[in-house]
Amino acid sequence: AQSVTQLGSHVSVSEGALVLLRCNYSSSVPPYLFWYVQYPNQGLQLLLKYTSAATLVKGINGFEAEFKKSETSFHLTKPSAHMSDAAEYFCAVSNNAGGTSYGKLTFGQGTILTVHP
Amino acid sequence: NAGVTQTPKFQVLKTGQSMTLQCAQDMNHEYMSWYRQDPGMGLRLIHYSVGAGITDQGEVPNGYNVSRSTTEDFPLRLLSAAPSQTSVYFCASRSAGGPQAFGPGTRLTVL
Repeated sequence: AQSVTQLGSHVSVSEGALVLLRCNYSSSVPPYLFWYVQYPNQGLQLLLKYTSAATLVKGINGFEAEFKKSETSFHLTKPSAHMSDAAEYFCAVSNNAGGTSYGKLTFGQGTILTVHP
Repeated sequence: NAGVTQTPKFQVLKTGQSMTLQCAQDMNHEYMSWYRQDPGMGLRLIHYSVGAGITDQGEVPNGYNVSRSTTEDFPLRLLSAAPSQTSVYFCASRSAGGPQAFGPGTRLTVL
């Protein structure tokens, strides 16, 4: 079984400030981890993914995330927020153990990021 | 490539009506999935398929049917629509080892 918890349904930052969106996961097998971004009235766009290579993963738009197995965390960060970063962000976990459950994504509840001028 | 396409974009149904949400992908992906998105609940898996002719239930399958007769298409059928099925529906596909690619979504309202 796998699950994802995103801490904080809403995060508000000032433009230029650090963005930190928290994600903790639970998985009985080595996980694949993903962050997706959703802009209003649009589908989900992949920001970055962790697939057991480097623990620090760099994604698009200046975002990065660090896989910490000991903390079962995969927090998303960006050093300096931009107004265009305002969106909803989803953390997701997928098992990589193969079989018919391979590729099933379990999502967190989402975090809405607001960026103030 | 068009990627993952979904039709219709918007739909309003009356309680008890049936309909099919269409999903197609042109990337020759083996895996396809249907999710529903509801406020504060993230995306929840309805049904998924690991290849043509193979489907399985996800987290919230009740009231929905799927079939996968071709690699490209993965329609989602609502048998008898209920207000609880008002949601935004996303179709996704992926290749082995690749990330999910999502369609633009179908916004469904059941009155």
